[in-house]
Amino acid sequence: DTGVSQDPRHKITKRGQNVTFRCDPISEHNRLYWYRQTLGQGPEFLTYFQNEAQLEKSRLLSDRFSAERPKGSFSTLEIQRTEQGDSAMYLCASSLSFRQGPGAFFGQGTRLTVV
Amino acid sequence: GNSVTQMEGPVTLSEEAFLTINCTYTATGYPSLFWYVQYPGEGLQLLLKATKADDKGSNKGFEATYRKETTSFHLEKGSVQVSDSAVYFCALSDKIYRGTSYGKLTFGQGTILTVHP
Repeated sequence: DTGVSQDPRHKITKRGQNVTFRCDPISEHNRLYWYRQTLGQGPEFLTYFQNEAQLEKSRLLSDRFSAERPKGSFSTLEIQRTEQGDSAMYLCASSLSFRQGPGAFFGQGTRLTVV
Repeated sequence: GNSVTQMEGPVTLSEEAFLTINCTYTATGYPSLFWYVQYPGEGLQLLLKATKADDKGSNKGFEATYRKETTSFHLEKGSVQVSDSAVYFCALSDKIYRGTSYGKLTFGQGTILTVHP
């Protein structure tokens, strides 16, 4: 078990371009979360999946953002027409849904810089 | 909605000093409470948790007690080390599915701790 893996670790893109991030959760975890963290702030919830179903989306997730988890394993987060305000660390976390246990495990994040 | 407020940092201490990082929360019902730690260059790691009032979470010498009457979950350590230098986040989660699991996390803004030798 290698933990939650995110790719890429860093992404620099020009304003207006589309970007896609990938998250591979811990293998037996059926719940997957996306958070966004800006400098000096705590992570903010964006969306989460249980298996392949997207169960909740934050109001922070504008129409330019879309997340998928097509087979209930890895997930992708796409941002279309990026804006400078999208610059942030995007965190993925996974957990089991059926017991409390240790809660969510986080990946190291993808740092997005929009220039 | 839910919210978490942490004491503002940064906090700078000498090794072996006593640490307190204050955390208060606003939530409906009976949330679960967490402290996460983020070491330089690493991802968020769960440090400790408490799932009901008066529970004490502890790990690596850190402790925090779930105080419902004051809606607080202050982090303490009796003697900090240089290796404790990190960013600490207080967070809460609603219990869902009749309390069998956690929902999404709501985080505080984080407190930077620097410990000098």
